[in-house]
Amino acid sequence: TQLLEQSPQFLSIQEGENLTVYCNSSSVFSSLQWYRQEPGEGPVLLVTVVTGGEVKKLKRLTFQFGDARKDSSLHITAAQPGDTGLYLCAGAGVAGTASKLTFGTGTRLQVTL
Amino acid sequence: KAGVTQTPRYLIKTRGQQVTLSCSPISGHRSVSWYQQTPGQGLQFLFEYFSETQRNKGNFPGRFSGRQFSNSRSEMNVSTLELGDSALYLCASSWRGAYNEQFFGPGTRLTVL
Repeated sequence: TQLLEQSPQFLSIQEGENLTVYCNSSSVFSSLQWYRQEPGEGPVLLVTVVTGGEVKKLKRLTFQFGDARKDSSLHITAAQPGDTGLYLCAGAGVAGTASKLTFGTGTRLQVTL
Repeated sequence: KAGVTQTPRYLIKTRGQQVTLSCSPISGHRSVSWYQQTPGQGLQFLFEYFSETQRNKGNFPGRFSGRQFSNSRSEMNVSTLELGDSALYLCASSWRGAYNEQFFGPGTRLTVL
């Protein structure tokens, strides 16, 4: 069974601070996705990383896929209240196929003024 | 393009009853996946339907079943409800590409009393 552990579980910071969320596994994933979920809504896809060592930037968010494709990180620069939500990573097991995703345990982020 | 819709949004049932949840995918998406989200277990994969056939299945008892219609709309059924079935049930559609990126609906909040 593939498991994805996220850390930290909870994070409460003030506007303007930087933060990093980690997503770790002992399994290799062919690709990894990051989602954000706001209260009362379903998760929304932020990014997909597919190559070991890959770094993708989305405005103030930077995503990295580990060289061995077992881990990933999400770094937010100068957090804003709009970044508040549940961040989920999800790994796909088999390259080139629509394999089912394994979701991480989640990191709940709260950004206050 | 309209997003994924789920009905109903909220549902209250009692133990032993059964429930049917409905999901309409994004137009053109032929894959529909169902997930259960609880505070303790996080987001867990139930099953995926593609072209009216179940393609992937998670580790849930047979009380959880689903089906997909020719227009790609999907229903999920839970029979003999238990208290532990209280959860947010999320439906996601996908065009089932290599990375199986999921587009989620807002979910159905099921409470079992």
